[in-house]
Amino acid sequence: DTAVSQTPKYLVTQMGNDKSIKCEQNLGHDTMYWYKQDSKKFLKIMFSYNNKELIINETVPNRFSPKSPDKAHLNLHINSLELGDSAVYFCASSLRAGDQPQHFGDGTRLSIL
Amino acid sequence: GNSVTQMEGPVTLSEEAFLTINCTYTATGYPSLFWYVQYPGEGLQLLLKATKADDKGSNKGFEATYRKETTSFHLEKGSVQVSDSAVYFCALSDTEAGSYQLTFGKGTKLSVIP
Repeated sequence: DTAVSQTPKYLVTQMGNDKSIKCEQNLGHDTMYWYKQDSKKFLKIMFSYNNKELIINETVPNRFSPKSPDKAHLNLHINSLELGDSAVYFCASSLRAGDQPQHFGDGTRLSIL
Repeated sequence: GNSVTQMEGPVTLSEEAFLTINCTYTATGYPSLFWYVQYPGEGLQLLLKATKADDKGSNKGFEATYRKETTSFHLEKGSVQVSDSAVYFCALSDTEAGSYQLTFGKGTKLSVIP
């Protein structure tokens, strides 16, 4: 009964491909987030949705598109993958926007060949 | 804008040693402060928090005190264990300033050796 689950855990693909990462939370939270963690462990917010509405949209290439079909799911689609997209992507959720703590998934390690 | 600065790692300590990881912040509003921990292969977990000046957050033997005068939130533990080996992130949330996001420091990797 994992609280925040992301799939896949590992994703290895070629440059130029399109891929998606899925995230689901069973905590009944209203708000979900996507973070990118680089090779130096630096963690940066990418997007946040509150009740399916986008509330945070940081400076991220428009090749990245989040989609929230309902408040329990926030998927991340990435077009035309580039080498610099290699990172660990974390999904998180919180009860409401701005609430703490945020509950994190275990991450998806994306490797671009 | 908001920012968090924490000491560079990695930090390597022997078991039962005293731990301090420094964290300072800048914020436009009046932030809440957090320490998150990331164990190998896992996502981040909240370790402790403090929401106003002079509050002390504590959990699992770790402590941090919100010092407004020095804009600091240093993490301490009196006697570390091998199981404390992880990456530690200081973070702030500044909802008063209308921001819904957490701003993280760059993380400090702690390795505890037997």
